[in-house]
Amino acid sequence: EDKVVQSPLSLVVHEGDTVTLNCSYEVTNFRSLLWYKQEKKAPTFLFMLTSSGIEKKSGRLSSILDKKELFSILNITATQTGDSAVYLCAVEAGFSGSRLTFGEGTQLTVNP
Amino acid sequence: NAGVMQNPRHLVRRRGQEARLRCSPMKGHSHVYWYRQLPEEGLKFMVYLQKENIIDESGMPKERFSAEFPKEGPSILRIQQVVRGDSAAYFCASSPDTAYEQYFGPGTRLTVT
Repeated sequence: EDKVVQSPLSLVVHEGDTVTLNCSYEVTNFRSLLWYKQEKKAPTFLFMLTSSGIEKKSGRLSSILDKKELFSILNITATQTGDSAVYLCAVEAGFSGSRLTFGEGTQLTVNP
Repeated sequence: NAGVMQNPRHLVRRRGQEARLRCSPMKGHSHVYWYRQLPEEGLKFMVYLQKENIIDESGMPKERFSAEFPKEGPSILRIQQVVRGDSAAYFCASSPDTAYEQYFGPGTRLTVT
């Protein structure tokens, strides 16, 4: 059974801090890894990673994938209160279709 | 370009009633996915459909649940004879093809009383 594990489950920081969120996976026939941000509503797409070692960046957020060690990290620099959310890691795998297996999420709280 | 639309946003049903959840994918997207998020749990895959075809329903409970994506109109997730354990947020996502990111709708929060 495909498995995605995120750590930490929750994190509280102050504005301006840098955070690193972790995601490890064990799946059959890996295709891609995706990061989403969820703020009590629809998960919002952040990144899709398919190749090892290539960093994807969007503003203060960046992510990288290690397919040998089977993990990914999401970095957020200079955090703001608006970054407070649940960050979800999902892996697309398998031989039929595009089902995503999600981790439990990391609840990030950024205090002023 | 409107995002993924779901309705209703909130649905209350008594035990034993039927629930019908609708999802209109983003324009140009022909792949639809349904996920369920139980209270205090992560998102779980239920079913993957393309127009008029169910591609992968391995996450669907064997009884009472069904899904369709007709040639015209939205995708429908149907839950018959609902029970309290069906109370959850049901999210729909769409993509233009496989190997593309999935975009999520706002979800339907189903409460069974």
